[in-house]
Amino acid sequence: DIVMTQSPDSLAVSLGERATINCKSSQSVFFSSNDKNYLAWYQQKPGQSPKLLMYWAFNRESGVPDRFTGSGSGTDFTLTISSLQAEDVAIYYCQQYYRSPFTFGPGTKVDVK
Amino acid sequence: EVQLVQSGAEVKKPGESLRISCKVSGDSASSLWLSWVRQIPGKGLEWIGRIDRSDSYTTYSPSFQGHVSISTDESISTAFLQWTSLKASDTAMYYCARHKGDYLSSIDAFDLWGPGTEVSVTT
Repeated sequence: DIVMTQSPDSLAVSLGERATINCKSSQSVFFSSNDKNYLAWYQQKPGQSPKLLMYWAFNRESGVPDRFTGSGSGTDFTLTISSLQAEDVAIYYCQQYYRSPFTFGPGTKVDVK
Repeated sequence: EVQLVQSGAEVKKPGESLRISCKVSGDSASSLWLSWVRQIPGKGLEWIGRIDRSDSYTTYSPSFQGHVSISTDESISTAFLQWTSLKASDTAMYYCARHKGDYLSSIDAFDLWGPGTEVSVTT
């Protein structure tokens, strides 16, 4: 299985400040044939189902604010919230869909400082 | 608007069987792949397996293979997750999730999630 790790486990950021979440896969999730990274990001707010934020590592899902940006390639990825809003308080998960079984990172909890 | 409507919370005893459901309502042009994802209280997300609703082809995570089964009844646009013998460790929230894409091509990222079915297995 491809193991996904995330750092930090949690972070607290002041409103309007930048939040950066890292995700690392145990093997590359980049497929050279189509030049795509098989990596998604999700947001899960308390008491809610997860919500897709990014796919192909940096494609923003429809309706996701542009303060969310995905980057990285191969085994190292980053989700950046450029200006944290109160409604961004959530747990963020990365997920690889390069190979079954599809695996998620353990999550990063984002709070307001 | 496509929705995933999941069955209600369940309380069961160890050894009992259970089938929970996920009804797909709305746009028939969306991806025909559905996955099930487990979330133990206070923990992360674990992919259980997926089903192609067009032909019932399934893929399971090795961690769940043999303990659960995924099926579909397309006459009622509903997918199922089933156990024949529950364990206390099956206590969790179970989500169904649609694969992103359309009926011709989809990817294994999940763009629509159901509200979850809470399963509690206790003596």
